[in-house]
Formats: sequence, C-alpha cells, structure tokens
Amino acid sequence: QVQLQESGPGLVKPSETLSLTCTVSGAPISSYYWSWIRQPAGKGLEWIGRVYTREGTNYNPSLKSRVTMSVDTSKNQFSLNLRSVTAADTAVYFCARGGGDTYFIDWGQGTLVTVSS
Amino acid sequence: QSALTQPPSASGSLRQSVTISCTGTSSDVGGYNYVSWYQQHPGKAPKLMIYEVSKRPSGVPDRFSGSKSGNTASLTVSGLQAEDEADYYCSSYAGSSRSVFGTGTKVSVL
Repeated sequence: QVQLQESGPGLVKPSETLSLTCTVSGAPISSYYWSWIRQPAGKGLEWIGRVYTREGTNYNPSLKSRVTMSVDTSKNQFSLNLRSVTAADTAVYFCARGGGDTYFIDWGQGTLVTVSS
Repeated sequence: QSALTQPPSASGSLRQSVTISCTGTSSDVGGYNYVSWYQQHPGKAPKLMIYEVSKRPSGVPDRFSGSKSGNTASLTVSGLQAEDEADYYCSSYAGSSRSVFGTGTKVSVL
C-alpha cells in the first residue's frame, strides 16, 4: 500500500518561499511520476506540477515562473518550492502519485498552508 | 491552460442515476483518451474513480462509469447511494506531461 505524507510550515509570509516535502512509503520514488496539487478553501483543484526522475519536471504554465520541484531518492521524498507567495497561494496542498503522467492514483491527506504576515 | 468546465451541482434520488459533464478543448479532453475522475468528501483527499476515460481502479463500484464524446467527457453514477454525495472533479492530460482539472461538481443525493 502506497502512502504519502506532506510536511512543511503551515504559515508563510508574503513574498517568501513556500516549501513542502512529500514522504513516500510503499513505492520507490524513482519509478513513478509525482505531482503537487492545491485547493484553496471552498474552491477546486489546481495541478501545480509533476516530477519524474527519468524525465525531469513539468509545471502548470500559470505557476511555472515561481515553482521548482525536486526528488530526493535517498529519502524517498519529493519537494515543492513556490517563490514570492501571496495570499492567493493560501490553500491545502496535496502530493500525489501518478498513473503514468495522466492521472493520480494515490494522494496524501493534504496540508494547509496559509500566506499571511 | 484553462480549467475544464463542469456544472456546479447535480442531484439524483436514491437508487437513481446522475451524469456529470466535463467540457474541455481539442488540446485536452478532445485530444487524448486520458480523462480521469475523482471523488472528494469534505475535508478528505480526492479519490480516483475513473481513469483513461472509462477504466475503473480496483475497489471502485461498477456503478461508476465514464465516457467521452469529442471535447466532453461524462461520469455517470448509477444506483445512487447516500455515500456518493460528494464533490467530483474531472482531469485531463493536456500534452507535454501537463494536467488540468475541472471546476468541480457537487453531487447531492435526494
């Protein structure tokens, strides 16, 4: 059974960098696509980007200038950095395992990140 | 990339059926047979219900079915049960290893 767990600060100041880590158990991180997805309160899901060790990264064009994703195979983790955050980046952030690069099989429970001074 | 369009709400009576639409463009829904559907209960993570337009993961009841015609995909829930009341999101591959989600539909069981 694959499990994913998001971790990181729950509060980030405006203009700073939001950094989250997803720890994966039950699946080798080098064998799958891994995504970050976010959901503002009361709103829909937004795909942020995905990483695959053999192919690199792909990002949502609307966030591409501010996003970096990476993988740490030694820890079986992948991470998200979102720069220059504003209140509009306040959301629950989910990490997910991909079925190829076309759908999302397993999800973390999500972590709320609030952008506020 | 713009979000795929779903109706904000849909409803059906117990044991009846409800169908949710998901409209995109030829660059996403219409261009690939890679539409997936997710069920989300309040405060929970989404759950994969359908992938590659019409395939069901192990453990998903066969009451859930998917289809696609042109730029519009659909999810049908037959024999509605109380636990089917949730938000549903479609997602499509959008080329170049990108994904896009739908706007979401709240399904109510009457």
